[in-house]
Amino acid sequence: EIVMTQSPATLSVSPGERATLSCRASQSINSDLAWYQQKPGQAPRLLIYGASTRATGIPARFSGSGSGTEFTLTISSLQSEDFAVYYCQQVNNWPRTFGQGTKVEIK
Amino acid sequence: QVQLVQSGSELKKPGASVKVSCEASGYSFTMYAMHWVRQAPGQGLEWMGWINTNTGNPTYAQGFTGRYVFSLDTSVRTAYLHISSLKAEDTAVYYCASDLYGHFEYWGQGTLVTVSS
Repeated sequence: EIVMTQSPATLSVSPGERATLSCRASQSINSDLAWYQQKPGQAPRLLIYGASTRATGIPARFSGSGSGTEFTLTISSLQSEDFAVYYCQQVNNWPRTFGQGTKVEIK
Repeated sequence: QVQLVQSGSELKKPGASVKVSCEASGYSFTMYAMHWVRQAPGQGLEWMGWINTNTGNPTYAQGFTGRYVFSLDTSVRTAYLHISSLKAEDTAVYYCASDLYGHFEYWGQGTLVTVSS
């Protein structure tokens, strides 16, 4: 099983600042990585797939990068609606596995 | 537009069974695989497995064998999750999610299953 490790667990950021979230895979997953955003009481929402492609309707301030085992989600200028939990997921191998999540909170 | 609509919250006693439904609309049901994801209170996302909507063949993640059954009724574009012999630790929100290219593009709104005596 591929283990996905996200860091940090919690990120405190002021509105308007940049947020950088990391995700590491225990073995190479090429670019088979997705990022999801989850707000309290809501289902996860797909943000990024293929490590760097924004899903439909996702603002350009969200960007993904990386390949192999190291991945990054960057939110260029945090808006109030971006404070949430973010999960990475590998879709390269079975079983599909998620990271434990990074909570982005208001500083 | 694409929608996955799940059945409502359930309160069950230990040992009982529950069946969660996930009705799809806005796309060709048999083109997308259907996955199930569990989220225990205050915890992260846990992949339970998936069902091939073409063949009906289910695949279960480790830890979700035996008491969990995925099924379909393609005539009503609905996937089901059946959990038997419920335990307190089954208390969670269960999500269905559809997948065309690997990632989980569409999600149901979630169904809270509470197991309590």
